[in-house]
Amino acid sequence: QSVLTQAPSVSGTPGQRVTISCSGSNSNIGSNYVYWYQQLPGSAPKLLIQRKNQRPSGVPDRFSASKSGTSGSLAISGLRSEDEADYFCSTWDDSLNGPVFGGGTKLTVL
Amino acid sequence: QVQLVQSGAEVKKPGASVDVSCKASGYSFTAYYIHWVRQAPGKGLEWMGWIDPHSGVANYAQKFQGRVSMTRDTSVNTAYVELTRLTSDDTAVYFCARDGPTSRPYYYNAMDVWGQGTSVSVSS
Repeated sequence: QSVLTQAPSVSGTPGQRVTISCSGSNSNIGSNYVYWYQQLPGSAPKLLIQRKNQRPSGVPDRFSASKSGTSGSLAISGLRSEDEADYFCSTWDDSLNGPVFGGGTKLTVL
Repeated sequence: QVQLVQSGAEVKKPGASVDVSCKASGYSFTAYYIHWVRQAPGKGLEWMGWIDPHSGVANYAQKFQGRVSMTRDTSVNTAYVELTRLTSDDTAVYFCARDGPTSRPYYYNAMDVWGQGTSVSVSS
């Protein structure tokens, strides 16, 4: 069971905007940056959102993130078929003294 | 280009040990922390620990304490993870990933470069 909670799946149609949520606690999301990773089928995870909700070079601005209290969210606008992947949230946990991850949300583009 | 290249797939019997390597290129190996993260089939990501390639100091997740060892060889820009007393629950893909600069005390800056993953299968 993952420390951070994510919905198992979400879906949308091309061009649509979808959001993926990540719920934690005061010891993790509540006091640390939230990062987001994209994992395409059969591939390694890829960093999508880094500290202060910034995107690494090469990540389209269709991807954005926000945080409120002990929850974070990833928004994907202008949905494209190549966005179909698993998305993981991650942050530091002060109690566990290590990075923690959500269970992942599978995005299906219909 | 910056990349991490891992060793090939492993098949082990319960009770055995496994070693996975992660060779860095395109950047200064000792300048960035390296994590090991694993992913069981159909499951999420699980952090195992990190190593400072500059000092060799490692920090392990409590779950793996006593069973994991992370080392590095700076002469070949390679990090290693060894996991002992394997069980079927250790069947997973093991990833190495780069984090922030070792010039500062460890802080989770996000894992910006990942290896391709190494499949480890444990079965009798």
